[in-house]
Amino acid sequence: DAGVTQSPTHLIKTRGQQVTLRCSPISGHKSVSWYQQVLGQGPQFIFQYYEKEERGRGNFPDRFSARQFPNYSSELNVNALLLGDSALYLCASSRTEGGRNEKLFFGSGTQLSVL
Amino acid sequence: AQRVTQPEKLLSVFKGAPVELKCNYSYSGSPELFWYVQYSRQRLQLLLRHISRESIKGFTADLNKGETSFHLKKPFAQEEDSAMYYCALSGLNTGKLIFGQGTTLQVKP
Repeated sequence: DAGVTQSPTHLIKTRGQQVTLRCSPISGHKSVSWYQQVLGQGPQFIFQYYEKEERGRGNFPDRFSARQFPNYSSELNVNALLLGDSALYLCASSRTEGGRNEKLFFGSGTQLSVL
Repeated sequence: AQRVTQPEKLLSVFKGAPVELKCNYSYSGSPELFWYVQYSRQRLQLLLRHISRESIKGFTADLNKGETSFHLKKPFAQEEDSAMYYCALSGLNTGKLIFGQGTTLQVKP
């Protein structure tokens, strides 16, 4: 089992640019969630997709968007990058939409640096 | 407001000493509580969850609804327990997790 895979591992962008981060869930998992982790903080929820539909959105501006493909992989897009977008972006997958017995599996993350 | 608070950024203990990592939460409704752990150079992973009432690697956590707490405990710390620990909560039927800021546990030999 390869686990949740994210690409790229590291990324350097300049202010104003756009970035796309990718995530492949564990085989059989239909839900993908995205989290932003700023240095010294816990992960903060950005989006959840289940069966290609958005199931939840965190308190992030419209510059952040995401989608899920028929094979359940997902992309997170961030437009008009700001210095404050520099963070580790984590992807997590689960079998179902969520709930008491659901377990999230996290990827290793994409470290985004905005200069 | 939905919030998870871990008051200690760093907890340092000696091997064999008891450990308690504190977690307090604020949530309107019946949340599900979790502890996630990140060992050095490894991914964030689930340690235990309230609903399972399990003990993993000697750790236990009891949900105290009156005090809105979910402290993580282990009677005798081991050096391999050194890691970053995050307390998190979610609502019913949702995959959204709200994380605390994390506590670094350092177990000294």
